[in-house]
Amino acid sequence: DTGVSQDPRHKITKRGQNVTFRCDPISEHNRLYWYRQTLGQGPEFLTYFQNEAQLEKSRLLSDRFSAERPKGSFSTLEIQRTEQGDSAMYLCASSLAGSYGYTFGSGTRLTVV
Amino acid sequence: AQTVTQSQPEMSVQEAETVTLSCTYDTSESDYYLFWYKQPPSRQMILVIRQEAYKQQNATENRFSVNFQKAAKSFSLKISDSQLGDAAMYFCAYSAGNNRKLIWGLGTSLAVNP
Repeated sequence: DTGVSQDPRHKITKRGQNVTFRCDPISEHNRLYWYRQTLGQGPEFLTYFQNEAQLEKSRLLSDRFSAERPKGSFSTLEIQRTEQGDSAMYLCASSLAGSYGYTFGSGTRLTVV
Repeated sequence: AQTVTQSQPEMSVQEAETVTLSCTYDTSESDYYLFWYKQPPSRQMILVIRQEAYKQQNATENRFSVNFQKAAKSFSLKISDSQLGDAAMYFCAYSAGNNRKLIWGLGTSLAVNP
């Protein structure tokens, strides 16, 4: 297992377009977290899954954001009708439920122009 | 609500010297973990060190150690014998509860001067 992978690494999109990011966690990890990190800030929690169930969503996650984790493996984060304020790094992390050990991916940097 | 505060946006240290990064947090929980993560320009978050709140002994990992003051809700990171590769953003983070989500500070940018 090569760790947590995120795809794409970079995405440039025009305002109003939809984008989808993918995260492949460590295969044994049943928890998967999404965070957003804007320039000069610390990451902010967006949502997390345990297996295929989405257990918590931040109030930061507007209706334009949706996340899925079908079959409890990889996860996708979709942003509809992107806005310039969505420009950020989107980080994915995985862990075992009950553990405080997290493995992060390298992130997807989204630029909305 | 839990919060994490890092009051030093930027720090610098001479190679081989020691530097301390500050972090304070606020929580009403008694059982929690605290972390220091490093984020180099390559972007991936790397765990530097973590501390369990119920352990009084300060965590140490090679050149990295923490000063955990639970009553003061303070969690500082000391880097000894600083190396050029230590240059990065350092984030303090907190986690507790069933969801184990991380709550982050704003980060401290550390420069290491040769």
